[in-house]
Amino acid sequence: KAGVTQTPRYLIKTRGQQVTLSCSPISGHRSVSWYQQTPGQGLQFLFEYFSETQRNKGNFPGRFSGRQFSNSRSEMNVSTLELGDSALYLCASSAAGGRETQYFGPGTRLLVL
Amino acid sequence: GQQLNQSPQSMFIQEGEDVSMNCTSSSIFNTWLWYKQDPGEGPVLLIALYKAGELTSNGRLTAQFGITRKDSFLNISASIPSDVGIYFCAGLPTGSNYQLIWGAGTKLIIKP
Repeated sequence: KAGVTQTPRYLIKTRGQQVTLSCSPISGHRSVSWYQQTPGQGLQFLFEYFSETQRNKGNFPGRFSGRQFSNSRSEMNVSTLELGDSALYLCASSAAGGRETQYFGPGTRLLVL
Repeated sequence: GQQLNQSPQSMFIQEGEDVSMNCTSSSIFNTWLWYKQDPGEGPVLLIALYKAGELTSNGRLTAQFGITRKDSFLNISASIPSDVGIYFCAGLPTGSNYQLIWGAGTKLIIKP
């Protein structure tokens, strides 16, 4: 089975712009979670989607949003980018979430100038 | 929100030494997971634990689900250079709505 893929791998944006990141889960997986990781920090949970519905949400401002399509692919969007949004954005998929093992993609490294 | 306390934050060890790290919580968990992240990559699952007292090995790695269900431990025996990286614990609290709680990570560095 192919693993979790994320596109793009690297991205440079300027403050005020918006960005859309994409995640394709492992075939058959219905749960997709998004995390933000800044240097030296752990994983900060953004949100989780299951069957096209947002099931969980972390403590991030409304500038961070996401969605999931019927084929389980997911996108996250960050509007009005700030310098502090520079981070590695990780996507993880699992069969159903919860106790199911999460498999991570390689991440999208976003740099905001 | 809920957090896991993972320690130590970083470790400097000699090749061949054994390594121990742990995660604790104030809540009861029904799942504990240990992941490793290499630079520039996403975390990879090392060991999953689902029962209190469970002891599971994966090669030189051994992890335990604490009896109190509020902690978990990861041991690495006879460390080698490729063990460097960041180790994360994650857990699922009882009654959780599917959201994993993550530790801040333990950075493992091998002294030359």
